Amino acid sequence: GIQVEQSPPDLILQEGANSTLRCNFSDSVNNLQWFHQNPWGQLINLFYIPSGTKQNGRLSATTVATERYSLLYISSSQTTDSGVYFCAVGSNFGNEKLTFGTGTRLTIIP
Amino acid sequence: KAGVTQTPRYLIKTRGQQVTLSCSPISGHRSVSWYQQTPGQGLQFLFEYFSETQRNKGNFPGRFSGRQFSNSRSEMNVSTLELGDSALYLCASTVRARTSGGETQYFGPGTRLLVL
Repeated sequence: GIQVEQSPPDLILQEGANSTLRCNFSDSVNNLQWFHQNPWGQLINLFYIPSGTKQNGRLSATTVATERYSLLYISSSQTTDSGVYFCAVGSNFGNEKLTFGTGTRLTIIP
Repeated sequence: KAGVTQTPRYLIKTRGQQVTLSCSPISGHRSVSWYQQTPGQGLQFLFEYFSETQRNKGNFPGRFSGRQFSNSRSEMNVSTLELGDSALYLCASTVRARTSGGETQYFGPGTRLLVL
């Protein structure tokens, strides 16, 4: 099956800093999503981005499908950004199975 | 629209018992997927249901089963519980955008199961 690797595994930043999270995947995908899991376990969908670039406020994401990686950018970090960020990929239309990476734990210090 | 709801939120069972978890997807969503999250294995796909049919299944033993009802609500059952089944069980419903065909999965708050 598809392998998904995320880096770095842990990131500790001061409030206001910018960060870049990376997701590498081992095969072609037609579905790539970024999620944020808050301390209570709730997974929130940030982006559906199998290719190209999207922005939503302080967050943006870029996927280079031909090179099999995706990046999530967080600018002007806030303490509420803390949590674990997951990249998840899927490779078959009509097949909703997502393979998740191991996540990046982001801690924003006030 | 109401989000994905899961019940119960917390559950404590003992080894050998069985458990049933429930998930109600967002209104109009017909696909429901289940995931198990543990510190050691991370997030792993259990199965996916669409229009009452299991469309995909992950690599879990037969003790894990599920079903979907005509109103799209889904249940998963774990029989003969083991200590290693302690986990956060997450349910997601999927919507596909008509224009782009893109898919977005919306997750419920999860059920935390502790097996003693």
